[in-house]
Amino acid sequence: GAVVSQHPSRVICKSGTSVKIECRSLDFQATTMFWYRQFPKQSLMLMATSNEGSKATYEQGVEKDKFLINHASLTLSTLTVTSAHPEDSSFYICSAPGTLATEAFFGQGTRLTVV
Amino acid sequence: AQSVTQPDIHITVSEGASLELRCNYSYGATPYLFWYVQSPGQGLQLLLKYFSGDTLVQGIKGFEAEFKRSQSSFNLRKPSVHWSDAAEYFCAVGGYNQGGKLIFGQGTELSVKP
Repeated sequence: GAVVSQHPSRVICKSGTSVKIECRSLDFQATTMFWYRQFPKQSLMLMATSNEGSKATYEQGVEKDKFLINHASLTLSTLTVTSAHPEDSSFYICSAPGTLATEAFFGQGTRLTVV
Repeated sequence: AQSVTQPDIHITVSEGASLELRCNYSYGATPYLFWYVQSPGQGLQLLLKYFSGDTLVQGIKGFEAEFKRSQSSFNLRKPSVHWSDAAEYFCAVGGYNQGGKLIFGQGTELSVKP
């Protein structure tokens, strides 16, 4: 099956710094990728849709200047959390649709802790 | 509005007992339905999915789910639960024109007692 790799799996950063999370489709191409955020004991909430070659589409309430998304190629999307604060600490998961775009393949997730 | 509701936040069952996790959805078009499982600190693993056809779908690890359009439900079942099934379970809905974008329910935490 299709594999999506997310890196790093865990990261701890200081408040005010920026952190980049990578999401790669290993054996297929993805013109679109999705970024979700999950707080402890809560569900996954879609943050944004990453589009290869164009700007990302952000969900309502998500700060696009804080969560920078770049879809550099057909296999790579990155999420950069800029000027991170402790309230940004969360579990971030990416996904990419399969060939028929009817289902999604998820990365392993990234646990971000801002201290 | 499109939404997914999992009425049970936490369920505890005895090992060997049967399990049913409830999922109700609201979706304007033909839904694509999914069940995922998440272990603590881990990503999501797809248990099963429904797109069309037979409304009873079989998944991995002995799970099955039944799509009931009249009830807007897609409940997950397992006849005999194992201790390793303890995890968080998410129901999700998408559609053919959503390009893989999913809406998730709140999740149900399953505990298994010996």
